[in-house]
Amino acid sequence: RKEVEQDPGPFNVPEGATVAFNCTYSNSASQSFFWYRQDCRKEPKLLMSVYSSGNEDGRFTAQLNRASQYISLLIRDSKLSDSATYLCVVNKASNTGKLIFGQGTTLQVKP
Amino acid sequence: NAGVTQTPKFQVLKTGQSMTLQCAQDMNHEYMSWYRQDPGMGLRLIHYSVGAGITDQGEVPNGYNVSRSTTEDFPLRLLSAAPSQTSVYFCATLASGGDTQYFGPGTRLTVL
Repeated sequence: RKEVEQDPGPFNVPEGATVAFNCTYSNSASQSFFWYRQDCRKEPKLLMSVYSSGNEDGRFTAQLNRASQYISLLIRDSKLSDSATYLCVVNKASNTGKLIFGQGTTLQVKP
Repeated sequence: NAGVTQTPKFQVLKTGQSMTLQCAQDMNHEYMSWYRQDPGMGLRLIHYSVGAGITDQGEVPNGYNVSRSTTEDFPLRLLSAAPSQTSVYFCATLASGGDTQYFGPGTRLTVL
């Protein structure tokens, strides 16, 4: 079983739609959680950190459920520019730079 | 600031050749890592370093060596290239106490 699992998609949605991605992780001792965005043939970039209390950044909302070992990302009012691969990332041990990546979920927003 | 730089951007090797992928950063970050990304596999950690002189293995270290003689540089050496090492390689850094890992632009390696 992979340590971090995501549905690879692709998710094809129209502009303006709301879309949600889920991610599960296997190690209950994991310490911190992130969503990264990766555009085609580019390097990953941090989209947002995920906290137990949930956090929101504009149209993006991330949630963490430690009991179920589950992370989610909600994108509201999708834009064409949101088309990318979204990577769920877990840090098992803080301050090592040793991140575990899910395989990513591909989103294609269509006009 | 250049951030994280990687050279070369593209490389083609023959089986059995050796080479070094370069990674440099100017952010004075303590932690540096090397990942490879293959289709359908996500990014997998090869080696990482928590500071100059300290390195450790990640998930897929076989066939690769690293060293960290300075804070700025973290080269990845392929000892004897194999077709299975065809991949995109990313170097990344993280500041101590920080949340955000910064990635270089990647090196696209093909082994024939």
